[in-house]
Amino acid sequence: TQLLEQSPQFLSIQEGENLTVYCNSSSVFSSLQWYRQEPGEGPVLLVTVVTGGEVKKLKRLTFQFGDARKDSSLHITAAQTGDTGLYLCAGVGGGSQGNLIFGKGTKLSVKP
Amino acid sequence: EAGVTQFPSHSVIEKGQTVTLRCDPISGHDNLYWYRRVMGKEIKFLLHFVKESKQDESGMPNNRFLAERTGGTYSTLKVQPAELEDSGVYFCASSRQNINGYTFGSGTRLTVV
Repeated sequence: TQLLEQSPQFLSIQEGENLTVYCNSSSVFSSLQWYRQEPGEGPVLLVTVVTGGEVKKLKRLTFQFGDARKDSSLHITAAQTGDTGLYLCAGVGGGSQGNLIFGKGTKLSVKP
Repeated sequence: EAGVTQFPSHSVIEKGQTVTLRCDPISGHDNLYWYRRVMGKEIKFLLHFVKESKQDESGMPNNRFLAERTGGTYSTLKVQPAELEDSGVYFCASSRQNINGYTFGSGTRLTVV
């Protein structure tokens, strides 16, 4: 069974600080996605990383896929209160295309 | 473009009753997925339709769950009879062809009492 361990589970920081969220597995994934979810809403796709070692930037967010395609990280620079939310990583593994394996998520709170 | 629509947004039913959840995918999206998040756990895959065909239903918990997608448009997920452990948030998602176009609905929060 493929599992994704996400850490930390909770993170509370001040506006302007930097943070990193980690997503680790013992399994190889063909690609990995990061989502952000607001209360009462569904997850919204932020990025998909496909190639081992790939780095993608989305404004203040930097996503990295591990060389072995087993782990990923999300780094936020100079966090803002608007970054508050639940961040989820999801790997595309076995089974039919579309069978995403999710981590439990990191609940981020950015205080002013 | 309208997003993925799920109905109802909330449902509270008694153990043993039947509930039907509906999902309207984005128009033109052949792929439709159902996921579920039970409290304290990660979001888990239930099944995947390609048009009206079940491509993968390996995540369906048991035979109390029945998913359909007649005509390849909207989908329904019926739970009959509902048990307490079925409580959670049921998400539907759709995509056109590949994983990059994956869009989730807002979910249906099901509470079985």
